Amino acid sequence: GEDVEQSLFLSVREGDSSVINCTYTDSSSTYLYWYKQEPGAGLQLLTYIFSNMDMKQDQRLTVLLNKKDKHLSLRIADTQTGDSAIYFCAERRNYGQNFVFGPGTRLSVLP
Amino acid sequence: NAGVTQTPKFQVLKTGQSMTLQCAQDMNHNSMYWYRQDPGMGLRLIYYSASEGTTDKGEVPNGYNVSRLNKREFSLRLESAAPSQTSVYFCASSGGQGYQPQHFGDGTRLSIL
Repeated sequence: GEDVEQSLFLSVREGDSSVINCTYTDSSSTYLYWYKQEPGAGLQLLTYIFSNMDMKQDQRLTVLLNKKDKHLSLRIADTQTGDSAIYFCAERRNYGQNFVFGPGTRLSVLP
Repeated sequence: NAGVTQTPKFQVLKTGQSMTLQCAQDMNHNSMYWYRQDPGMGLRLIYYSASEGTTDKGEVPNGYNVSRLNKREFSLRLESAAPSQTSVYFCASSGGQGYQPQHFGDGTRLSIL
């Protein structure tokens, strides 16, 4: 399909790991991104991965990329209440308006 | 670091009124974008400008016009506001090739009564 897909909601307990999944659309997309949106704010870039990589780790964040299945995931280790937000995946295509966003996953962290 | 600045932050309009949302970036980016965000619908692209002097329609352009005033500024105009345009509007900019992501402003919360 043409849409970037994400599940809309995820709830985890504080201290657990969170895994947010995304399916993107264009196998030629060169870069894939994860953004975080806190209430009342704009989108902040969390991390990105180049399409020739399988994994990227950045402190508590781990990004996994399965290019064959066009599947991207974001794992947040030791999830904290401050991680509660909406997480968007996005792909950068090589044509048109370039950036396509998923609908966002609302992560709720329970104490 | 200012990044992407949007004004105003909040606005209430009556149906049929017009207004212009302003956006400016100080990162010397070529490309700029306007999105709207509605509950459960993620971000939808209204218009974008790949470079100074060019603009193109996105997914939901009807009811809007844009102007790329110069490299820094990209404005969005509602000529005759409708309640369906009640939304949060985000401006973004991005650099050239490579990993360059989009950088977002804090948004304009617009209500049309």
